[in-house]
Amino acid sequence: EAAVTQSPRNKVAVTGGKVTLSCNQTNNHNNMYWYRQDTGHGLRLIHYSYGAGSTEKGDIPDGYKASRPSQENFSLILELATPSQTSVYFCASGSWGGDTQYFGPGTRLLVL
Amino acid sequence: AQSVTQPDARVTVSEGASLQLRCKYSSSVTPYLFWYVQYPRQGLQLLLKYYSGDPVVQGVNGFEAEFSKSNSSFHLRKASVHWSDSAVYFCAVSFSIASSSFSKLVFGQGTSLSVVP
Repeated sequence: EAAVTQSPRNKVAVTGGKVTLSCNQTNNHNNMYWYRQDTGHGLRLIHYSYGAGSTEKGDIPDGYKASRPSQENFSLILELATPSQTSVYFCASGSWGGDTQYFGPGTRLLVL
Repeated sequence: AQSVTQPDARVTVSEGASLQLRCKYSSSVTPYLFWYVQYPRQGLQLLLKYYSGDPVVQGVNGFEAEFSKSNSSFHLRKASVHWSDSAVYFCAVSFSIASSSFSKLVFGQGTSLSVVP
C-alpha cells in the first residue's frame, strides 16, 4: 500500500515568518508534488520534482520554494508567509508523470 | 488551454438512488483520466482511472465511469448510493507539460456529494 506522510498536520504561523512543510513517501516513486486546496479551486500544483535534487515550478509557485534532498523527502518552504497562503496543502507521489498519484493526509496552515 | 470542469459544486441524492457526477475536459489529445474521492479531513484516494480501451471503467465500491471522446467527458456513476459515499469527488486529467516528457494532473473544482436518508 502506498504511503505518503506529511508533517505537521496543523500549523499556525505569523505573517512574515518562515514555514516548512515536510513530506515523506515510502513508495520509491520518482515524482513528488505539492498542491494547495482552496474552496472553489480544487487542487492546484505548486511545485513538483522528478527525483532527488530536482524541483520544478508548477502552476502557482509564487511565494513558495521546494526542496527534494532525497528520493523519500520533499519539502515546501514559505520564506515569508502571508495570510493568502492560509490553505490546506497536500503532498503526493507517483511513479511517472501520467500515472496515479498517492496523496498524503494534508497539512492545514493558518497564517495570522 | 487545458482545463477540467465539474459543473455541479454540490449534489444531494437519496440513499439507494443512482448517481451521476459530471466531468468535462479540454484537450487536443485523449489524456489519462481519473476520479478521486476525498473524505472529510483526509487526503485524496483513487476511485478509478482510464488510460485506453473499453470506455467504461470499473472502480472501487461499485463506482464506474464512462469516457466519451466525442463529448470530452468522463462522468462518474453509481447504481445505488450509500450514506458512506458522502464525500467530495474530484475529476482529474493528466496533461503533458510542454517541452518535457513530464505530465501533470489538472483537477476539477470538485463536487460535494451528500447522501440523505
